[in-house]
Amino acid sequence: KNQVEQSPQSLIILEGKNCTLQCNYTVSPFSNLRWYKQDTGRGPVSLTIMTFSENTKSNGRYTATLDADTKQSSLHITASQLSDSASYICVVFDRGSTLGRLYFGRGTQLTVWP
Amino acid sequence: EADIYQTPRYLVIGTGKKITLECSQTMGHDKMYWYQQDPGMELHLIHYSYGVNSTEKGDLSSESTVSRIRTEHFPLTLESARPSHTSQYLCASSEYRRDTDYEQYFGPGTRLTVT
Repeated sequence: KNQVEQSPQSLIILEGKNCTLQCNYTVSPFSNLRWYKQDTGRGPVSLTIMTFSENTKSNGRYTATLDADTKQSSLHITASQLSDSASYICVVFDRGSTLGRLYFGRGTQLTVWP
Repeated sequence: EADIYQTPRYLVIGTGKKITLECSQTMGHDKMYWYQQDPGMELHLIHYSYGVNSTEKGDLSSESTVSRIRTEHFPLTLESARPSHTSQYLCASSEYRRDTDYEQYFGPGTRLTVT
């Protein structure tokens, strides 16, 4: 069973609308949680990184929240644009070894329509 | 923008051929990684390296091999390609930063199709 679950699997919204993507994880211990954006045919690009002590972090129109007690995170996208169409991947990092270990979700495929 | 490059971007090849996927980074990072990703699925770590002359297998068993002779170069080789190797292969590198821990930077990926 994957230790990082994302919902919804896919989402379609109209340009200019807001949306929220969810991430639940069971990884323990936990060092930080990351959200990545992956355009089709490209590698993931980091949007935000939050440690367990942070509740929220923003990067432009992207705002991530984290509840380390319930092991839930969300990514809120404000005033969506066509270029936001991509897969958004939640990644939990466990710095339990020299290398550290990344646990990847399967991503939420977001499509923004004009 | 991360300075990590992968070639080729797309490759269609017949069964039994030997292939090498190239990955290079100009950031001087010691740690490098290879991931395999199928459509709609999570990334799976197949190889990683702590530095020159260091290579380890990842979580997902893979018939591929890697080498790390130079810091900036981390090629992946398949001696005999099979249709089951059809996938997207992503290379990444990382450095330790106090604010982001081990931030990983990904290359654009190689989409491999074995016919």
